Amino acid sequence: SQQGEEDPQALSIQEGENATMNCSYKTSINNLQWYRQNSGRGLVHLILIRSNEREKHSGRLRVTLDTSKKSSSLLITASRAADTASYFCATAQNRDDKIIFGKGTRLHILP
Amino acid sequence: GAVVSQHPSRVICKSGTSVKIECRSLDFQATTMFWYRQFPKKSLMLMATSNEGSKATYEQGVEKDKFLINHASLTLSTLTVTSAHPEDSSFYICSAREHTGADTQYFGPGTRLTVL
Repeated sequence: SQQGEEDPQALSIQEGENATMNCSYKTSINNLQWYRQNSGRGLVHLILIRSNEREKHSGRLRVTLDTSKKSSSLLITASRAADTASYFCATAQNRDDKIIFGKGTRLHILP
Repeated sequence: GAVVSQHPSRVICKSGTSVKIECRSLDFQATTMFWYRQFPKKSLMLMATSNEGSKATYEQGVEKDKFLINHASLTLSTLTVTSAHPEDSSFYICSAREHTGADTQYFGPGTRLTVL
C-alpha cells in the first residue's frame, strides 16, 4: 500500500522559477526521502530527512518536514529544463524498514 | 557511491514463459534487497523484501508463486516472473540496503518487461 500523497500530481513552471511539491503521509515515520525519476529510468536519491529534523538543504533543493502535520515539502529553486522529471517522496516507519512511495508529482519545466 | 545493477534492462517474452531478472550490488554487500513494480505514469509499488539466505516477505496481494524471489548471496537477488501474462508487463526495479540499520537504499536502473 502507498503511504504518501504528493500534490500537485502535475506541475508546469517556467525555467528559472521555483517549484514546490508537497507530500503528506499517514503513519509515524523514522525518515522521509525524496527521489527523482526521469521518464522510463531508475530512481535518483535526492535527500533524506529524519523525523527529528525540520529542514535540510542540498544545492538547489530544500526539504522541510512537519511531523505534527505529517507533511513534507520539496523546493527546487531556479529550476532548469533538466529538472523535468517525476518526484516521489518515500517514508520508512523505522530506520531500517522498507520504504513506501507516494504517488509522485510530474514536474515539467517550460523553456 | 554504491551501485546496483539489473539485468536485463529490457526483455520481451511470449505469454506463458518465465522471465528471470537479476539484481546485483556491485561494490557492497546487501543484506536486504527490495523488489518494486511500476506501471506507466504510476508510482513504485513494493512487491517483496528479501534477506540473504531466507525466504522473501511478500506484500499483501503479491502472489509468491507467481513472483519467485531468490536472494542467494549478499550481492545477488533474482526475481522470476513465472508463466508471464500481458498484465505482468511492467517496469521492475530493485533496491539494496547495505546492512541492517542503514536507512539508505540504492536503486537499480530497472527492467522493462513486455509480455506479448
